Amino acid sequence: NAGVTQTPKFQVLKTGQSMTLQCAQDMNHNSMYWYRQDPGMGLRLIYYSASEGTTDKGEVPNGYNVSRLNKREFSLRLESAAPSQTSVYFCASSTGTRGGDNEQFFGPGTRLTVL
Amino acid sequence: SQKIEQNSEALNIQEGKTATLTCNYTNYSPAYLQWYRQDPGRGPVFLLLIRENEKEKRKERLKVTFDTTLKQSLFHITASQPADSATYLCALATSGGYNKLIFGAGTRLAVHP
Repeated sequence: NAGVTQTPKFQVLKTGQSMTLQCAQDMNHNSMYWYRQDPGMGLRLIYYSASEGTTDKGEVPNGYNVSRLNKREFSLRLESAAPSQTSVYFCASSTGTRGGDNEQFFGPGTRLTVL
Repeated sequence: SQKIEQNSEALNIQEGKTATLTCNYTNYSPAYLQWYRQDPGRGPVFLLLIRENEKEKRKERLKVTFDTTLKQSLFHITASQPADSATYLCALATSGGYNKLIFGAGTRLAVHP
């Protein structure tokens, strides 16, 4: 039982390049999330998916797109990377879809640098 | 605007003492409050959840309180150990809506032998 896995662990991009961050969970969770974490700031929600086939914007969605490929996988795409997207990206999942009373399980993170 | 505040300065305490971390919020009416632990270079790990109608929750050496009048949660670690050294994040969620958490920036705890 691997929990939440993310690839890659590290990535360096040049401004304007595109890339996709991959996330998968093996806990049969309904909801999945993408966050970014910057120094001195809390985790900020980029996009979430309450169930397979649905996605919705979080607090900071600009410059990103997501795909809930199936119940297990939730990918985050940067179409044209900018230095402001340099951050650590975390994927998370939870069993429930509503209410805030479910713990979230986090992956190990992807450290992205955009030059 | 909605705001969550945790002490940005690190909390340094001696092994065996009780560590108390604070989470204050404004312009929120959270129904749930969660605490997570984050070690350097790793993802957050869930510790405790408390609901708005609960005053206190305990788990082993951990205790969380939730005061909706003061708009504050306190997180206590009793008999602290160097292995408790980490950053602790609080996160709020409102009732209704999806399971979206709003996180504070975290407080770093250092427990010294």
